[in-house]
Amino acid sequence: EDKVVQSPLSLVVHEGDTVTLNCSYEVTNFRSLLWYKQEKKAPTFLFMLTSSGIEKKSGRLSSILDKKELFSILNITATQTGDSAIYLCAVNNAGNMLTFGGGTRLMVKP
Amino acid sequence: EADIYQTPRYLVIGTGKKITLECSQTMGHDKMYWYQQDPGMELHLIHYSYGVNSTEKGDLSSESTVSRIRTEHFPLTLESARPSHTSQYLCASSDKDRGRWNEQFFGPGTRLTVL
Repeated sequence: EDKVVQSPLSLVVHEGDTVTLNCSYEVTNFRSLLWYKQEKKAPTFLFMLTSSGIEKKSGRLSSILDKKELFSILNITATQTGDSAIYLCAVNNAGNMLTFGGGTRLMVKP
Repeated sequence: EADIYQTPRYLVIGTGKKITLECSQTMGHDKMYWYQQDPGMELHLIHYSYGVNSTEKGDLSSESTVSRIRTEHFPLTLESARPSHTSQYLCASSDKDRGRWNEQFFGPGTRLTVL
């Protein structure tokens, strides 16, 4: 059974801090790993990672995948209050089904 | 504008009522999904569809049913709602033809409360 574990469960930081969110996984026939940001209701897509060692960046957010050690990290630099959300990690298998982790709840205080 | 829509956004209903949660997408995506998410918990896949007339059950057993008569429409029905069905229901879709199977686009969700 595919499994995704995220850590920490929750995190409280102050504006300007840098945070690192972790995602480890076990999946049969790995295809990709995705990060989502969930604010209030539905998650919005952040990154899709398929290859090890290639960093994806979008503004202050970046992510990297290690397919040998079976994990990914999501970095957020110079955090802002608008970054407060639940960050979801999901792995996609060859059947194109996503298995989600439990999420990391990030709160950024002014 | 291409998007994915869910209605209603919020629904409070009494036990035993039949309900249908609507999901429509204007992106022409082949695959559509229904997820159930309890507060603070991960998303659980309850139904998915590869295309018209295709429906499959997901990982989490659900008493709901779905249909896919049109590409853009994937409604979810509960014949007799119970308090245990109280949850958020998220609809998503993904596009096969453009080689982007992996990226799922989510609707805004329906928050269902069964009294």
